[in-house]
Amino acid sequence: QVYLQQRGAGLLKPLETLSLTCDIYGGSLNDYYWTWIRQSPTKGLEWIGEIHHFGSTNYNPSLTSRVSISIDRSRKYFSLQLTAVTAADTAMYYCGTFDKATYYIDFWGQGTQVTVSS
Amino acid sequence: QSALTQPPSASGSPGQSVTISCTGTANDIGGFNYVSWYQLRPDKVPRLIIYDVFKRPSGVPDRFSGSKSGNTASLTVSGLKTEDEGDYFCCSFAGSNKFGVFFGGGTRLTVL
Repeated sequence: QVYLQQRGAGLLKPLETLSLTCDIYGGSLNDYYWTWIRQSPTKGLEWIGEIHHFGSTNYNPSLTSRVSISIDRSRKYFSLQLTAVTAADTAMYYCGTFDKATYYIDFWGQGTQVTVSS
Repeated sequence: QSALTQPPSASGSPGQSVTISCTGTANDIGGFNYVSWYQLRPDKVPRLIIYDVFKRPSGVPDRFSGSKSGNTASLTVSGLKTEDEGDYFCCSFAGSNKFGVFFGGGTRLTVL
């Protein structure tokens, strides 16, 4: 059983950088890929990207120029950064474990509401 | 616009059954058995309900079942309970030469 605890700022101004962290409790970093997903009223659920425990990443092509996911193996957390945010990035952001064998997210974080407003 | 198409709403009375559809293409749902379903409820952590089209994680009641025919996957909730109210999203592997997954637009399930 894996428990994920999210932290990070929820209110941003346009063009600022979104920064969220997901602390990992239980399980092994080697068992999963680690992913970020967001949910907005306009776009629904959207896969942001994934990171392997060795650090290799894949990103949603629509966000790849602005997104970065990193992992700290020793402290057991992974992070999301999204630069130059706009109102369109307003969403509930979730971290999760990603089973890359058959492509599902079995454990989710509690969610962080991020609002971009001037 | 979502890559996968779901009805925006579904409803049923306690004890009844309801089926939610999720339509994609031959490049995603139709081409792979990598369909999953998620339950999202206010103030709750999202929950995996079905993976690999029809498999249930431990702890998910057998009232929830999944299936697929062609480019359409379905989630059936039998013996509806009030606690089943929430938003249900389907998800599929994005297909060869792509990364990640697609989601449906979500279906709001109401238990009348």
